[in-house]
Amino acid sequence: AQKVTQAQTEISVVEKEDVTLDCVYETRDTTYYLFWYKQPPSGELVFLIRRNSFDEQNEISGRYSWNFQKSTSSFNFTITASQVVDSAVYFCALLDSNYQLIWGAGTKLIIKP
Amino acid sequence: KAGVTQTPRYLIKTRGQQVTLSCSPISGHRSVSWYQQTPGQGLQFLFEYFSETQRNKGNFPGRFSGRQFSNSRSEMNVSTLELGDSALYLCASSGGGTGRRDEQFFGPGTRLTVL
Repeated sequence: AQKVTQAQTEISVVEKEDVTLDCVYETRDTTYYLFWYKQPPSGELVFLIRRNSFDEQNEISGRYSWNFQKSTSSFNFTITASQVVDSAVYFCALLDSNYQLIWGAGTKLIIKP
Repeated sequence: KAGVTQTPRYLIKTRGQQVTLSCSPISGHRSVSWYQQTPGQGLQFLFEYFSETQRNKGNFPGRFSGRQFSNSRSEMNVSTLELGDSALYLCASSGGGTGRRDEQFFGPGTRLTVL
C-alpha cells in the first residue's frame, strides 16, 4: 500500500532553534516523487521541494534542508535557525504511479518568539 | 503568470443542498486535480481531469462529481450535502508546456461549511 507517515503531530520550538520534521513513506513503485508542502493559516499549499526516487542527494535551500534516504524510506526536512514566520503545517506527500498525491497527516510547527 | 484561482473562497450551505466550486488552472496547464482537506481525514484526492476527461478518481461517493471545460477550467459539484462535507477544497493544476504531471500548483482553496 502507498502510505506517508508523519509521526509528529505538533512540534513547538523557540525561535532560532533547529527543527527536523520526519517523513516515512511506503510505496511499491520503483519510480516515484516525494514532496514537502507548507500550509500557512491562509490555507494555500506552498510547494517547497520535489525529489524523485533516483536522486538521493541531499538538498539545501537557505535555511531549509532535506535528507532523502531510500534505505529507510525517509524524507526528512530540517529548518535551521527557525523563525516565527516558519510557523505552519508542513505536509510530506508521495506522488503515486497514477499521479495522485498521497499525503501525510501533517506536522504543525509552532515557532515561539 | 497568474496562479491557480478558485472561486468562491468561502461558502456556507445547509444539509441537502448542492454546491459547485470552480477552479481556473495556470495558463497552459491542462490537468486539474481536486483534493479535500478535513481535520479528521486530512488531505484526500478527489479526482483529476485532463482534456475534459476524468483521468483518475479517488475513493469518494458519487455525490462528488466534476467536469472540465475546453479552456481547462474545472468545476466540482457536491450534491445532497452532508455535515461531513465541510472542508477545504483545494485545486491543483499541472501539465504545462513540458507536460509534466509531477509538478502540481495549488490554489488558495474554497472553504465549504455545511450547516
